[in-house]
Amino acid sequence: QVQLQESGPGLVKPSQTLSLTCTVSGDSISSGDYCWTWLRQPAGKGLEWIGRIYTSGTTNYNPSLKSRVTISVDTSKDQFSLNLSSVTAADTAVYYCVSGPLDAYYFNYWGQGTLVTVSS
Amino acid sequence: DIVMTQSPDSLAVSLGERATINCKSSQSVLYGSNNKNYLAWYQLKPGQPPRLLIYWASTRESGVPDRFSGSGSGTDFTLTISSLQAEDVAVYYCQQYYSTPQTFGQGTKLEIK
Repeated sequence: QVQLQESGPGLVKPSQTLSLTCTVSGDSISSGDYCWTWLRQPAGKGLEWIGRIYTSGTTNYNPSLKSRVTISVDTSKDQFSLNLSSVTAADTAVYYCVSGPLDAYYFNYWGQGTLVTVSS
Repeated sequence: DIVMTQSPDSLAVSLGERATINCKSSQSVLYGSNNKNYLAWYQLKPGQPPRLLIYWASTRESGVPDRFSGSGSGTDFTLTISSLQAEDVAVYYCQQYYSTPQTFGQGTKLEIK
């Protein structure tokens, strides 16, 4: 059973970079069986797919965020990370790290979610 | 992007009655080579992470009660709760994973009548 836990600052100033880390337990991030993804949900709104990374380091990003997003993986620590640059209030949301099987892209494992507020 | 549209936005159903939530995609999410619909359903409760209920449009995730079922193909899908229980009060989302960016419906809020 894979478990995911997000960590990072809950408050980020406008124009700065939002950085979150997801720690994976219950299985090695290098097992190769999963794809690792970031989602977010602004208050009162729906879920938005930010992007994903494979253990190989290959990434796919949402075109709407691509110019500002970097997702990376650290297999030695069983972690993957999200960096979102030049944030504005519109980036305020609950951020989830999630995972699912490589041969499909539904999400059967979820972190608890972490609220990130962009405010000065 | 594939646009996912759910209906209704909110729904009130009596305990023990059937609840039906619809999801329509702007293009087919049926992959011809394997005849699978790349469509999932999730349940969100306040203070909890979302929970996968259904994938491949109709496959129930392990541990999900059998009162939950998914159906449909191509562009039109349905999540059915056969006999509503109090613990089913939540917001339900459909998701297509046919193409990136993966997209979700706007959500359907299910309440007890």
